[in-house]
Amino acid sequence: AQSVTQLGSHVSVSEGALVLLRCNYSSSVPPYLFWYVQYPNQGLQLLLKYTSAATLVKGINGFEAEFKKSETSFHLTKPSAHMRDAAEYFCAVSDTTGGFKTIFGAGTRLFVKA
Amino acid sequence: KAGVTQTPRYLIKTRGQQVTLSCSPISGHRSVSWYQQTPGQGLQFLFEYFSETQRNKGNFPGRFSGRQFSNSRSEMNVSTLELGDSALYLCASSLAGTDNEKLFFGSGTQLSVL
Repeated sequence: AQSVTQLGSHVSVSEGALVLLRCNYSSSVPPYLFWYVQYPNQGLQLLLKYTSAATLVKGINGFEAEFKKSETSFHLTKPSAHMRDAAEYFCAVSDTTGGFKTIFGAGTRLFVKA
Repeated sequence: KAGVTQTPRYLIKTRGQQVTLSCSPISGHRSVSWYQQTPGQGLQFLFEYFSETQRNKGNFPGRFSGRQFSNSRSEMNVSTLELGDSALYLCASSLAGTDNEKLFFGSGTQLSVL
């Protein structure tokens, strides 16, 4: 079965600094990978998804992620953090074992300091 | 187009009671998934329905059940509530529930069991 591991439950950056949120996947087949964001008191919304068309995936709000098969990683980055980026971020993978479902990582809460 | 709607937004129940949560997917979406979100466990997959059939089920006790109606609306039921069932329950919909589709989430139902 597929799974994802997010390194770091909390990440703190200064406004304007680089954002790097780490995600490693485990999959025996080429995976479909996703990053979702959850703002307080809301559901999750998709930032971007990897479907093998390109290894560098651009998403909304200036975020992007690079698929690296050799490292089994799919890290999320943004060149310059903004206060509005403070939220919880989830890496996810599609798992078709026994039927369709999306498996989420434990999440990384991003804090942005003024 | 209206988003995924979950009702009620908040619920307070006591141990031993049962509860029913409702989810209306985006119009045209036929797949509905349910997740339990807690601070300690993150997002845990409960089950997925497509065209009124449960296609996949997570590792939860039989007290957790669900169903889907012909209009794709879904309900989940938790019987004999326990304190540990306190969580945010999220519903997500997608067009056909395939592995490269993104999920559209509702804002969730916050259940507190006293």
